[in-house]
Amino acid sequence: QKEVEQDPGPLSVPEGAIVSLNCTYSNSAFQYFMWYRQYSRKGPELLMYTYSSGNKEDGRFTAQVDKSSKYISLFIRDSQPSDSATYLCAMNGGSYIPTFGRGTSLIVHP
Amino acid sequence: GAGVSQSPSNKVTEKGKDVELRCDPISGHTALYWYRQSLGQGLEFLIYFQGNSAPDKSGLPSDRFSAERTGGSVSTLTIQRTQQEDSAVYLCASSLDRQYYNEQFFGPGTRLTVL
Repeated sequence: QKEVEQDPGPLSVPEGAIVSLNCTYSNSAFQYFMWYRQYSRKGPELLMYTYSSGNKEDGRFTAQVDKSSKYISLFIRDSQPSDSATYLCAMNGGSYIPTFGRGTSLIVHP
Repeated sequence: GAGVSQSPSNKVTEKGKDVELRCDPISGHTALYWYRQSLGQGLEFLIYFQGNSAPDKSGLPSDRFSAERTGGSVSTLTIQRTQQEDSAVYLCASSLDRQYYNEQFFGPGTRLTVL
């Protein structure tokens, strides 16, 4: 079992839908949780970062961390075709090297 | 300002040849990371530099892989005697310092194809 599990998708939704992206993990030491967005043939870029448990909101994006369940989520409201990308979760704690999920491919169709 | 740059953007080579991949981090970023991304896979950590030293080389898959960083800036990843399984996108990232969390800024990657 990998330390971080993420469904690769693809996840296809209509424009305007609410999107839920998720990762599970096994390492209790993880304290920092990140979501990166990667467009095709580009490098990942940080979308959101959360420390420990709780929620964080930024515009149409909300990140949730449930450490008791070892489960993190990224919600995208009012999804747009420009949100079509691969979303990678990443996490670390006790190490300078984050552990990345495989990424979920999201397609938002008009 | 300038982001992380990588060169070449694409590299096609024959099995058995050596290749060098270059990364120019953001100026002032002391931490530098190399990752490998294969189709449908996540980011596989290769090596981490703090300044010119590499405290963590644990991700290098074999002794055919090596990396160096000079002047606390440019880094080169070298793959000797390339194999077809080395085909992947090699990504470089840099960050300000070595706190547990620090935003990593990624370059566009080098797409390596070994024939």
